[in-house]
Amino acid sequence: GENVEQHPSTLSVQEGDSAVIKCTYSDSASNYFPWYKQELGKGPQLIIDIRSNVGEKKDQRIAVTLNKTAKHFSLHITETQPEDSAVYFCAAANTGNQFYFGTGTSLTVIP
Amino acid sequence: GAVVSQHPSRVICKSGTSVKIECRSLDFQATTMFWYRQFPKQSLMLMATSNEGSKATYEQGVEKDKFLINHASLTLSTLTVTSAHPEDSSFYICSASVAAPPNYGYTFGSGTRLTVV
Repeated sequence: GENVEQHPSTLSVQEGDSAVIKCTYSDSASNYFPWYKQELGKGPQLIIDIRSNVGEKKDQRIAVTLNKTAKHFSLHITETQPEDSAVYFCAAANTGNQFYFGTGTSLTVIP
Repeated sequence: GAVVSQHPSRVICKSGTSVKIECRSLDFQATTMFWYRQFPKQSLMLMATSNEGSKATYEQGVEKDKFLINHASLTLSTLTVTSAHPEDSSFYICSASVAAPPNYGYTFGSGTRLTVV
């Protein structure tokens, strides 16, 4: 099956700086890569996703890049704000609709 | 659109009792729902896949007689933790597939914090 690895497990940045979280996957059949933000005591919320036919996608301060050859994808958050502090999960999915999650990254934005 | 409502958000029960958690898709039909368990500071662990009108598929190591899943309609799936014990205390999260591949998505409920005392 698929194996998704996520790094780093914790990340602290100063407000206004950029944050980058990286994930790798093992199954070349995976073709959908979403990113979720989970705040304390709440369910994960989709923040951005990318499909295997696209190399990069951007939504305001958030961007995701995908390297199919190397089987890795990354989340980039620019101009970080304190409200960006949360746990972020990457995931990989295939057409069978089975999602595999990374282990999460706890992001802290220091004011 | 694509809202999943999960209730209750918090529940405290006595050891040995059963607890039911509901997961509803509010504005779409979900033929497939997923149940996850999450321990503090850990990732989501898939417990089972719930298919409308058929038996749920459980992941290895998950006791199907302890975690009863019912998906009787296209908008409702329930997870019942039977004879709960303190070690069952956890954060339980459901999610639903929004559409069929390749344009599928995943919407999560808000989670249920279960505490067994």
